[in-house]
Amino acid sequence: NAGVTQTPKFRILKIGQSMTLQCAQDMNHNYMYWYRQDPGMGLKLIYYSVGAGITDKGEVPNGYNVSRSTTEDFPLRLELAAPSQTSVYFCASSYSLAGGREQYFGPGTRLTVT
Amino acid sequence: GENVEQHPSTLSVQEGDSAVIKCTYSDSASNYFPWYKQELGKRPQLIIDIRSNVGEKKDQRIAVTLNKTAKHFSLHITETQPEDSAVYFCAAIIIQGAQKLVFGQGTRLTINP
Repeated sequence: NAGVTQTPKFRILKIGQSMTLQCAQDMNHNYMYWYRQDPGMGLKLIYYSVGAGITDKGEVPNGYNVSRSTTEDFPLRLELAAPSQTSVYFCASSYSLAGGREQYFGPGTRLTVT
Repeated sequence: GENVEQHPSTLSVQEGDSAVIKCTYSDSASNYFPWYKQELGKRPQLIIDIRSNVGEKKDQRIAVTLNKTAKHFSLHITETQPEDSAVYFCAAIIIQGAQKLVFGQGTRLTINP
């Protein structure tokens, strides 16, 4: 299994540009999550999904959108990029947290907005 | 809202000594508490977790204790080694609605040779 994969690894955007961060998992996990991690800081939940067609906001959803058309994929869309969105973005997935199952993280996408 | 507080934010210990990181949580219904280790430039990876039906769990040099009454849990690393240097995050599951984790702010652990 490849686990959780993310593309691209790095990206530089100009203010006002848009982009989609890709995330895929091959573990047949129902739950998928997007986090952002600012330098020297912890993980903040942006959006999450409990299954195909179902998404919900996390702690910091403003400026982002998500979709979940398949179990495997959970892309994160940035519209009108702003410098405040400079961060490392991690996608994660899990089978079931309540059952004490592990949440697996992707390798991250480092985004700089200038 | 749901909250996880983690202390200290930085910790420096001599190689061979023990390190302890503490977390408190606010949701009394939380029943799953993982700890993640994040090395520089890498993704967070699970190192140990504990469920609310046990008070302590150990895996070689690392152990986690849980006090549900006080709503706090701790990570203990014994006989620390240079490769233990990393940022450690505690987390607690939020039961209300969909399942998600709330993370602590992280502890940067430095092991001095």
